[in-house]
Amino acid sequence: EDQVTQSPEALRLQEGESSSLNCSYTVSGLRGLFWYRQDPGKGPEFLFTLYSAGEEKEKERLKATLTKKESFLHITAPKPEDSATYLCAVKSYSGGYQKVTFGIGTKLQVIP
Amino acid sequence: DAGVTQSPTHLIKTRGQQVTLRCSPKSGHDTVSWYQQALGQGPQFIFQYYEEEERQRGNFPDRFSGHQFPNYSSELNVNALLLGDSALYLCASSSQGGVYGTEAFFGQGTRLTVV
Repeated sequence: EDQVTQSPEALRLQEGESSSLNCSYTVSGLRGLFWYRQDPGKGPEFLFTLYSAGEEKEKERLKATLTKKESFLHITAPKPEDSATYLCAVKSYSGGYQKVTFGIGTKLQVIP
Repeated sequence: DAGVTQSPTHLIKTRGQQVTLRCSPKSGHDTVSWYQQALGQGPQFIFQYYEEEERQRGNFPDRFSGHQFPNYSSELNVNALLLGDSALYLCASSSQGGVYGTEAFFGQGTRLTVV
């Protein structure tokens, strides 16, 4: 069974204090690893897709990286508006179709 | 492109009642997945519909059922509601095309409260 574990569950940073969120996974037939941002009461907003080990993607203050067992979401000089829950998900191929499994997320709070 | 749209946005039901939630996928997408997200948790996979059939199912009881229509829109039905069914229900659309398909895009969700 596919598993996704995110750490830490919660993270509090001062504005400008860079850090990383971790997503470790166990999946057969990885078809992609996704990062989403979710604000309270809203649907997840797509950020990145990574397909193979060594791949990196960047968007503003966010950078996602992927190894064979885990992914990191690096946040450089965060601002208060970066406060949200960051979800990691993996897509696998099973029974002829694709399925997405989510972690529980990391709740990030950036203090001014 | 309107993206993924869900209706209604909020719903209050009584224990034992039945509920139907609706989802219209993003243009060009042929696959709809439904997720249940309890407060403070990540989304839990309920099931996935492709070509009007349920293709994958998570660990949810038969009280949860669904349907996909020829225009790819989908419904989620929950019978005999329990208090524990209170959650944010998310619909995500994607495409099966190609080796990897596409990433999933989510709607804003339906907040279901069972009292």
